[in-house]
Amino acid sequence: DTEVTQTPKHLVMGMTNKKSLKCEQHMGHRAMYWYKQKAKKPPELMFVYSYEKLSINESVPSRFSPECPNSSLLNLHLHALQPEDSALYLCASNTPGRPNYGYTFGSGTRLTVV
Amino acid sequence: GESVGLHLPTLSVQEGDNSIINCAYSNSASDYFIWYKQESGKGPQFIIDIRSNMDKRQGQRVTVLLNKTVKHLSLQIAATQPGDSAVYFCAERSFSGGYNKLIFGAGTRLAVHP
Repeated sequence: DTEVTQTPKHLVMGMTNKKSLKCEQHMGHRAMYWYKQKAKKPPELMFVYSYEKLSINESVPSRFSPECPNSSLLNLHLHALQPEDSALYLCASNTPGRPNYGYTFGSGTRLTVV
Repeated sequence: GESVGLHLPTLSVQEGDNSIINCAYSNSASDYFIWYKQESGKGPQFIIDIRSNMDKRQGQRVTVLLNKTVKHLSLQIAATQPGDSAVYFCAERSFSGGYNKLIFGAGTRLAVHP
């Protein structure tokens, strides 16, 4: 398995809803990442988990809450989002220190906040 | 030719021509660089990578050149095909607080015309 799988592919939520995005990989990677991508812009780093511990939070608002239950799973819990949070949310994984670093991206969740 | 639109620079080429996509990176301490291809509605797809101790690396139909003096990266695509039409991002790996993170450049849209 050489893929990063993200679910759901599309999500529409209201500003008062609570929802979660899920990311899964079975490549044995020990670092996992959340990126946010607005239209016609590059992906922007949000969070980094290294060996299941949160290592980088790029000053992301608390309405986004990441969770890494185990080395294969990464979640992003969403609560009280704003319309400007609508974007493509990408998950990536790799293993630090591997020769080619192996950053692999999922296809993303297209989130629309109404 | 190359043009800069409102959001994303676009490179237009004829099928069969060679394409050169350029990228300026920001951190002179970055030690690893990746080129990604992103098609509409998909996540970034790995094309080729290069470490900072190299100045050139070749893959199948693609070559990456690294000029550390001016912090410049380029992607050359030989015999460009319609399937190469996509947005291309360079990404640099840098360190923050003891952890590495992958930061993306602005991106270039490649449009291949028959």
